[in-house]
Amino acid sequence: DAKTTQPPSMDCAEGRAANLPCNHSTISGNEYVYWYRQIHSQGPQYIIHGLKNNETNEMASLIITEDRKSSTLILPHATLRDTAVYYCIVREKDSGYSTLTFGKGTMLLVSP
Amino acid sequence: NAGVMQNPRHLVRRRGQEARLRCSPMKGHSHVYWYRQLPEEGLKFMVYLQKENIIDESGMPKERFSAEFPKEGPSILRIQQVVRGDSAAYFCASSPLRIAGGPIVREQFFGPGTRLTVL
Repeated sequence: DAKTTQPPSMDCAEGRAANLPCNHSTISGNEYVYWYRQIHSQGPQYIIHGLKNNETNEMASLIITEDRKSSTLILPHATLRDTAVYYCIVREKDSGYSTLTFGKGTMLLVSP
Repeated sequence: NAGVMQNPRHLVRRRGQEARLRCSPMKGHSHVYWYRQLPEEGLKFMVYLQKENIIDESGMPKERFSAEFPKEGPSILRIQQVVRGDSAAYFCASSPLRIAGGPIVREQFFGPGTRLTVL
C-alpha cells in the first residue's frame, strides 16, 4: 500500500469547516483513498473512501485531486465531538485480503 | 444491528498469566481483524481471520500470541505468559464481502477495544 503524509495536528473553530489534507504521491491506479478517525479511547470509525471522483456522505466530503496524488477530507461544520485523530489510508480495492495500515494521522482539535 | 462487540473492555493481568480477548463481529460479517495499539502509537495489524481459517498472521508476534475464529462463537486472541510490553489496546474489526457499484470494497467496522494492563 502507498504511504501517506498528513500534518500531525490541526485546529478548527466549532461550526467552521475542517479541511484535512493528505499526500499520497505514490498512489497507483487501483488504490483507493480511505479515511478513518479515532476518538480518544474508542475504536477507529470509518468515514469515507474514494477512487478518483469526489465523494460525499452524511459525515464528510472527500476531494481527490485530478492526478490523485493528494486528497482533502472536509468536515463542513465541525463540532466538538469531531475532535479526534484522522487517518488517511491508501489501500488496494481488491487485494485478496483487506488489512488497514494506519500511519500517525492528524490530531484535529475543535475548539469552542 | 449491534456493532462489533469486544470483551472484556478492561483486563488486568500479572506477568506470566494468560490473557484471552474476545470479539463478536457484526451480524453477517465473516471476516475478523485484530489490531494492537501501543501507548502513544498508531494501530498495527496483527491477524486476519475468516471462519475457521487464519488468512494472514503476518503482524502477529512469533511467540505467545495466537488467534482463532471458530465456526461457532466469537474470535479469540490469546496471549500466553504476558509481559509488561503486551500492555496495549487491542481492537477487533469485522467486515462483510459486498459489491458496491462494481469493485469489491471492504469497510472495516471496529469494536471499542480491550485495554490490557500487565502488572
